[in-house]
Amino acid sequence: ETGVTQSPTHLIKTRGQQVTLRCSSQSGHNTVSWYQQALGQGPQFIFQYYREEENGRGNFPPRFSGLQFPNYSSELNVNALELDDSALYLCATSPGGRGRGNTGELFFGEGSRLTVL
Amino acid sequence: AQSVTQLDSHVSVSEGTPVLLRCNYSSSYSPSLFWYVQHPNKGLQLLLKYTSAATLVKGINGFEAEFKKSETSFHLTKPSAHMSDAAEYFCVVTDNYGQNFVFGPGTRLSVLP
Repeated sequence: ETGVTQSPTHLIKTRGQQVTLRCSSQSGHNTVSWYQQALGQGPQFIFQYYREEENGRGNFPPRFSGLQFPNYSSELNVNALELDDSALYLCATSPGGRGRGNTGELFFGEGSRLTVL
Repeated sequence: AQSVTQLDSHVSVSEGTPVLLRCNYSSSYSPSLFWYVQHPNKGLQLLLKYTSAATLVKGINGFEAEFKKSETSFHLTKPSAHMSDAAEYFCVVTDNYGQNFVFGPGTRLSVLP
């Protein structure tokens, strides 16, 4: 158990809809990252938040957005869902901060599996 | 830019025999390297990490990996496979900023009785 919880665990949406996924951070972890894992592939970095500010972004369009709250929990929002958004979305937290030297372990939740029909 | 290549998409071994999962990386910086394991319908768990200390790294469950800069490799080994080792294994590289952990495509390990 990593102490990182994600909700919902499974959900089904239709193309064009919007979805919000949630992540509760492990105690003391001020950095949260989101990853998309398509079936049969490795996780792809979406973005990272550190103390409520975006701290890096992967190659994902602006319809993927996020929030981090003062208690370090986080949301991932995806607008205008497309079929290719079907994937396992993983949240990972860490105690590190911004900048050089933050190469510590990531603690992953079990993911939210999104199916877009 | 960083990248990771996992040379085998699927490895099958018999229980009690050695395991070798291969990983090569590319990085412009002095990298940190990790191996994560993912059991079916579970999140990712850290097996071990290299962060510029000893080049031979020992992890959980008897796994270890050796960082070889000249070969840009970080192969994962275990002397004797157990049935519970059957899972998906990911090699991961990150830079000094720790923002973007780049995952390889994964190697599925099957352990035969």
